[in-house]
Amino acid sequence: SQQGEEDPQALSIQEGENATMNCSYKTSINNLQWYRQNSGRGLVHLILIRSNEREKHSGRLRVTLDTSKKSSSLLITASRAADTASYFCATSTGANSKLTFGKGITLSVRP
Amino acid sequence: EAEVAQSPRYKITEKSQAVAFWCDPISGHATLYWYRQILGQGPELLVQFQDESVVDDSQLPKDRFSAERLKGVDSTLKIQPAELGDSAMYLCASSLGRVATEAFFGQGTRLTVV
Repeated sequence: SQQGEEDPQALSIQEGENATMNCSYKTSINNLQWYRQNSGRGLVHLILIRSNEREKHSGRLRVTLDTSKKSSSLLITASRAADTASYFCATSTGANSKLTFGKGITLSVRP
Repeated sequence: EAEVAQSPRYKITEKSQAVAFWCDPISGHATLYWYRQILGQGPELLVQFQDESVVDDSQLPKDRFSAERLKGVDSTLKIQPAELGDSAMYLCASSLGRVATEAFFGQGTRLTVV
């Protein structure tokens, strides 16, 4: 069962533009994480935001969390062709830190 | 840099045969996850271990799938008998401890059932 749901499903932008991806979830969380997956490969962790945090930055990444709306957004600034990949949000829930992924967003960055 | 090791990378098996996947997590990581990912979809959690104990296997099809993590280190996921619908990528991930931290993924095993 999927806890998080990303929006949009697919995004195509020009190199240098910003990319914004959204994630909504259903139950209370310990934290929310974003991952990237290049075609046919394993997932790579990008950034983690805890339930008591509202915003976090890491390089060209900015993530926000609104627990009242049960939603998060990931902003990639000044996108590059190398950012082309699938992006997933994942929620950590419960005492055992169950990690549940959404369906993902396909980002295409055109050179 | 420490990595999660998985083998094999690719596996083709016939329907009704048994198949097994192996995962060696990053040393010292207490939590180990097995996910199944169908092409174009997000990873679906099959089983989660905390040390050697199963803490979540609610989505594991227990009539044909089994998983173990003897001694709380490496882990094996088995399917018997394999069905056509089991064709997918099987991903293993590990994280440091009980308190949720980032998960590190292996490269996965691509299973094709024919």
